[in-house]
Amino acid sequence: GENVEQHPSTLSVQEGDSAVIKCTYSDSASNYFPWYKQELGKRPQLIIDIRSNVGEKKDQRIAVTLNKTAKHFSLHITETQPEDSAVYFCAASFNSGGSNYKLTFGKGTLLTVNP
Amino acid sequence: GAVVSQHPSWVICKSGTSVKIECRSLDFQATTMFWYRQFPKQSLMLMATSNEGSKATYEQGVEKDKFLINHASLTLSTLTVTSAHPEDSSFYICSATVAGEYTGELFFGEGSRLTVL
Repeated sequence: GENVEQHPSTLSVQEGDSAVIKCTYSDSASNYFPWYKQELGKRPQLIIDIRSNVGEKKDQRIAVTLNKTAKHFSLHITETQPEDSAVYFCAASFNSGGSNYKLTFGKGTLLTVNP
Repeated sequence: GAVVSQHPSWVICKSGTSVKIECRSLDFQATTMFWYRQFPKQSLMLMATSNEGSKATYEQGVEKDKFLINHASLTLSTLTVTSAHPEDSSFYICSATVAGEYTGELFFGEGSRLTVL
């Protein structure tokens, strides 16, 4: 099955700096890579996702890059703000059609943005 | 749109009792729902995939007789933790995909925190 490795496990940055979180996956058939933000005791929220036919995607301060050859993808947050502090999870899945997307999650990165 | 609601949000029970957690898609139909377990400061571990009208598919290592999953309608899946023990204490989260949409986006419930005394 799929295995997703995520690094670093904790990341502390100063407000305004950039943050980068990296993930690798093992199954070359995986074709969908979402990133979730989870605040303490709350549900995960999708912040951005990318599919295997795209190398990069950006949404305001958040961007994701995908390298299919190396089987890794990264989350980039620019101009970080204290409210970005949370646990971020990467995930990978394969879907050949239908609604059965079985996600495998990374272990998470605790991001702390210091004012 | 695409709201998933879980109930209860937290529950405390005595060891040996059973607890049922409901996961509802409020404004869409969900052919497939997923149940996860999350320990403190850890990732989400998929327990089972729940398909409407059929038996759930459990991940390796998850006891199907311990964690009963029922998905009787397109808007409701339930997880019953039978004969709960303190080691079953955890945060249980469900998620759903929108029937007929193949974007891959999962919509998560609020989670249910189970504490077994």
